[in-house]
Amino acid sequence: NAGVTQTPKFQVLKTGQSMTLQCAQDMNHEYMSWYRQDPGMGLRLIHYSVGAGITDQGEVPNGYNVSRSTTEDFPLRLLSAAPSQTSVYFCASHKGGAGNTIYFGEGSWLTVV
Amino acid sequence: AQSVAQPEDQVNVAEGNPLTVKCTYSVSGNPYLFWYVQYPNRGLQFLLKYITGDNLVKGSYGFEAEFNKSQTSFHLKKPSALVSDSALYFCAVRETSYDKVIFGPGTSLSVIP
Repeated sequence: NAGVTQTPKFQVLKTGQSMTLQCAQDMNHEYMSWYRQDPGMGLRLIHYSVGAGITDQGEVPNGYNVSRSTTEDFPLRLLSAAPSQTSVYFCASHKGGAGNTIYFGEGSWLTVV
Repeated sequence: AQSVAQPEDQVNVAEGNPLTVKCTYSVSGNPYLFWYVQYPNRGLQFLLKYITGDNLVKGSYGFEAEFNKSQTSFHLKKPSALVSDSALYFCAVRETSYDKVIFGPGTSLSVIP
């Protein structure tokens, strides 16, 4: 029972490089989200998806792209990394319905130098 | 738009004493409220949620939370704190008509032996 799996766990990028954070869930959840966590700012929503083929912006979408070609996968792409994108990134998923519990991955620590 | 506030960045409590971690929210409709806990270098773990019904909600590890609609609050409580409760606690809210989840900034709880 894997739940929500994120890779890589740690990554160092140079400014201007691009990369993709992978997220997969095996619970057949319709909803998937990406958050970033920064000290004193809690978790901020980057992008989310309510089903395959449907994505929308969250609170802080600039500099990031997402796609949802399958129910299971929701990759987050950094187009041109900036030091301001140094953060811990969490992928999350849940079933449809506002009262359902959200399940989180273990996090991806990204440093942009 | 919905929002969540956690007025205390840090809460310190002696082991064995009761603890309270505060949360207030703002939504336009009926709220769905959640508490999550994060241990160092880990993802967020679900503690409890309020959907409807009894204002006192019981959750994992002996935690409970009280929903107060008039004060728009959802404070997390535990009758007797353990050192192992030391962690970062997040309150979150989802509006009935949306499936975006908004998190508060987090409160760091330290239980002192």
